[in-house]
Amino acid sequence: QSVLTQTPSVSGAPGQRVTISCTGSSSNIGAGYDVHWYQHLPGTAPKLLIYGNNNRPSGVPDRFSGSKSGTSASLAITGLQAEDEADYYCQSYDNSLSGSVVFGGGTKLTV
Amino acid sequence: QITLKESGPTLVKHTQTLTLTCSFSAFSLYTSGEAVGWIRQPPGKALEWLGLIYWNDEKRYSPSLKNRLTITRDTSKNEVVLTMTNMDPVDTATYYCAHSRPRYHDFDFWGQGTLVTVSS
Repeated sequence: QSVLTQTPSVSGAPGQRVTISCTGSSSNIGAGYDVHWYQHLPGTAPKLLIYGNNNRPSGVPDRFSGSKSGTSASLAITGLQAEDEADYYCQSYDNSLSGSVVFGGGTKLTV
Repeated sequence: QITLKESGPTLVKHTQTLTLTCSFSAFSLYTSGEAVGWIRQPPGKALEWLGLIYWNDEKRYSPSLKNRLTITRDTSKNEVVLTMTNMDPVDTATYYCAHSRPRYHDFDFWGQGTLVTVSS
């Protein structure tokens, strides 16, 4: 069971907007630690999509955006494209048990 | 451009020790603010963080696996080594190493991953 909770699956039609949620607790997201998002296509390495809650690395389209509030965070994808079909993971840091990196359980996006 | 690549055995036996090497380029693990992490993904399951080694040789390990894990760096090469003892079939997974930015605790560059199967 993952420390960060994500909805197992979401779906949307091409062109639509979807959001993926990530719920944590007072020892991770709620403690002020940044949330990051990764896109993972089968057979490839995960790709950093959003870092520091709402920042996009160079090359990531502005269709992807992140937000954080309290003990939760969200990834929004607008103008859905077929190529966006992938697994999405949130990640943060947790200050319990000597400090550790924590991942969400992942959300499968179907377009 | 930062690159990383994992290498090691693809098959290990139950109770054996796994040793994986992460070879990287375009950064130095002796430079302040750099870190390398290990993450794995069992087939059909989520990503799981294993551990981190920082530029100052500080290490952090997953609480659930810390008794089995050791992460070291090679002083003469740009390499980081992950050792996991007492392997079990449930440890079958794709193992990734990734560059980490301690400022953010994120992983901005990843290796391609290597599938390790543990036989019973």
